[in-house]
Amino acid sequence: DVKVTQSSRYLVKRTGEKVFLECVQDMDHENMFWYRQDPGLGLRLIYFSYDVKMKEKGDIPEGYSVSREKKERFSLILESASTNQTSMYLCASSSLSGGYGYTFGSGTRLTVV
Amino acid sequence: SQKIEQNSEALNIQEGKTATLTCNYTNYSPAYLQWYRQDPGRGPVFLLLIRENEKEKRKERLKVTFDTTLKQSLFHITASQPADSATYLCALPYSGGYQKVTFGIGTKLQVIP
Repeated sequence: DVKVTQSSRYLVKRTGEKVFLECVQDMDHENMFWYRQDPGLGLRLIYFSYDVKMKEKGDIPEGYSVSREKKERFSLILESASTNQTSMYLCASSSLSGGYGYTFGSGTRLTVV
Repeated sequence: SQKIEQNSEALNIQEGKTATLTCNYTNYSPAYLQWYRQDPGRGPVFLLLIRENEKEKRKERLKVTFDTTLKQSLFHITASQPADSATYLCALPYSGGYQKVTFGIGTKLQVIP
């Protein structure tokens, strides 16, 4: 069964901390994505990667960075966590054509206190 | 930029009836449109993709239509069951970005036994 695995289901961090969210996929997909989901705002794209070491900003990249050193792994980094980054973070992957749907992970619910 | 509109009001229907959800979009002619199901606290699950040259697509009890003139997609679940209760999201590729998609806010469907 193909999978996108996010390293943590729940995470609580303090304001100002550097936070790493990890995502691994086992489908050999070229594309990987990070979204955040908030009530009333839906899913918003933070960053997108279409190849190793390649990245593209999404709609809300401020306060975030990403790393893709290996094809199967895409990390989201919160440089200095703030309370407005409290959210559900969802990682997804898709094949190069992009037209066959995304496979999402189960999400990481991050609370910044 | 493109805008996606889904009825953010919850849709309640009786078990056995057909549920119809609407996705409208503006400012854009997408090459395809996707539908996802999301259960509370989980990542979305891909259901169906329909391309701009397809009028209708079916998968078991699901049917999707795509009217590029009206800029609208309809998502139907026939013979609905309580297990179909979830939030349903439509997604379109970004203008000029075939491989990444933007999501509607979703419609919550409740099937009443």
